Amino acid sequence: AQSVTQPDIHITVSEGASLELRCNYSYGATPYLFWYVQSPGQGLQLLLKYFSGDTLVQGIKGFEAEFKRSQSSFNLRKPSVHWSDAAEYFCAVVAAGGGNKLTFGTGTQLKVEL
Amino acid sequence: GAGVSQSPSNKVTEKGKDVELRCDPISGHTALYWYRQRLGQGLEFLIYFQGNSAPDKSGLPSDRFSAERTGESVSTLTIQRTQQEDSAVYLCASSLEHVSGANVLTFGAGSRLTVL
Repeated sequence: AQSVTQPDIHITVSEGASLELRCNYSYGATPYLFWYVQSPGQGLQLLLKYFSGDTLVQGIKGFEAEFKRSQSSFNLRKPSVHWSDAAEYFCAVVAAGGGNKLTFGTGTQLKVEL
Repeated sequence: GAGVSQSPSNKVTEKGKDVELRCDPISGHTALYWYRQRLGQGLEFLIYFQGNSAPDKSGLPSDRFSAERTGESVSTLTIQRTQQEDSAVYLCASSLEHVSGANVLTFGAGSRLTVL
């Protein structure tokens, strides 16, 4: 069965600093990969997705993620964090042919210090 | 509607009571999904609908949980004889259709259920 691991439960960064959130997946074939963000009281919002092609994916709000097949990773990055980026971030995977039945990681809570 | 609407946003109930949670998907979205998010955990898939049929209900935790959908519209998740472990945020999402990754899920804000 596919699984997603987000090893960092909490991360704190200073505003303006760079950010990297880790995501590792376990799946036999190349899955489709997603990053979602959840702000308090809000639904999940899609930041970016990887289906195929260029392994560096650009998303909204200045985020990007890089798919590394050899490491089974899909880490999320942002060069300069803003206070409004404080939220919970979820990595998700779906098997090709698996419809939209996503498997989510447990999330990483990001705190931004001013 | 413009987005996925869920109600109630918050529900507090006593153990043993039944609850109904409602999801109103984006108009035209044929696929609808229910997920559960317990404190400190990721989202767990519960069930999805394509139209008003549920091809995959493998994530429903027990027979106390059921869901239905009227046409390609509103869905209701019902939890009977609630237990404290049912306390969670229940998230609904919809997409144009259930096609692998091609149609991104749009999530509602969730219904927070607290069972005392």
